[in-house]
Amino acid sequence: DAGVTQSPTHLIKTRGQQVTLRCSPKSGHDTVSWYQQALGQGPQFIFQYYEEEERQRGNFPDRFSGHQFPNYSSELNVNALLLGDSALYLCASSSSPGQGYEQYFGPGTRLTVT
Amino acid sequence: KQEVTQIPAALSVPEGENLVLNCSFTDSAIYNLQWFRQDPGKGLTSLLLIQSSQREQTSGRLNASLDKSSGRSTLYIAASQPGDSATYLCAVTLNTGFQKLVFGTGTRLLVSP
Repeated sequence: DAGVTQSPTHLIKTRGQQVTLRCSPKSGHDTVSWYQQALGQGPQFIFQYYEEEERQRGNFPDRFSGHQFPNYSSELNVNALLLGDSALYLCASSSSPGQGYEQYFGPGTRLTVT
Repeated sequence: KQEVTQIPAALSVPEGENLVLNCSFTDSAIYNLQWFRQDPGKGLTSLLLIQSSQREQTSGRLNASLDKSSGRSTLYIAASQPGDSATYLCAVTLNTGFQKLVFGTGTRLLVSP
C-alpha cells in the first residue's frame, strides 16, 4: 500500500518564476492538505482540498493556489516566487475532511528560490 | 489564536535514558493531538494520535499523555536508542470542523551511543 507520494523531491527556481508541486494521497484517502515548513520551524497550514474544492485556507497570499483532481491527487501552485518561499512543502492526506482522522504526510518537496 | 510551544528546543542524552518531551497549547478547544517524528530534510511520521476524550496512548517504547484542561501533552520515550535521534513535533487539530493542524516548533533529540 503506497503511502503519500510527492513530486518532485527537490526544485530550484528563480525569483518571479512559477512552480507546481504534486501530491498523491494514501490509498483510500480523499482529503489533501498542504503545509509549508521553513527551516527550523513547524509546518504551517496552507490549505485543504476535498471533493475538488478548497475547504479551508491558512494565512497565505493568493500567489498560493491549488487544485484537486477526480482521483484525489492534488497540485500546489505558487506564482511570482519570492526568496521567502524557500521551504519544505508537505502534503498530508486523510480519509475524511472531518475531525478525528489521523493525517499521513508525504516526504515533502524541497523548494529553493534563488 | 492557537499557539503550540515545545520545550526543550533541543535535548542530548546518552543511550538508555528515559526522557520526556513537553508540548503546551493555549486553547483547550482541540479535537485531538498528534506527535510526529521528522528526520532531517524528510517528511513527518505519525507516532501517536490522542483524541480529546483520551488521557494517553502507547506504542512500544512511546507513551503520550494529554491534559486538555491545562493545555499540556508529554511524550515519554523509554530506554532511548541512537535511532530515536530526530525532531519531534506535536500538533493539535482545532475544533473547527476541519483538519487543520497547528504545529509546535519541535524538539530536536540527539541520543548518543
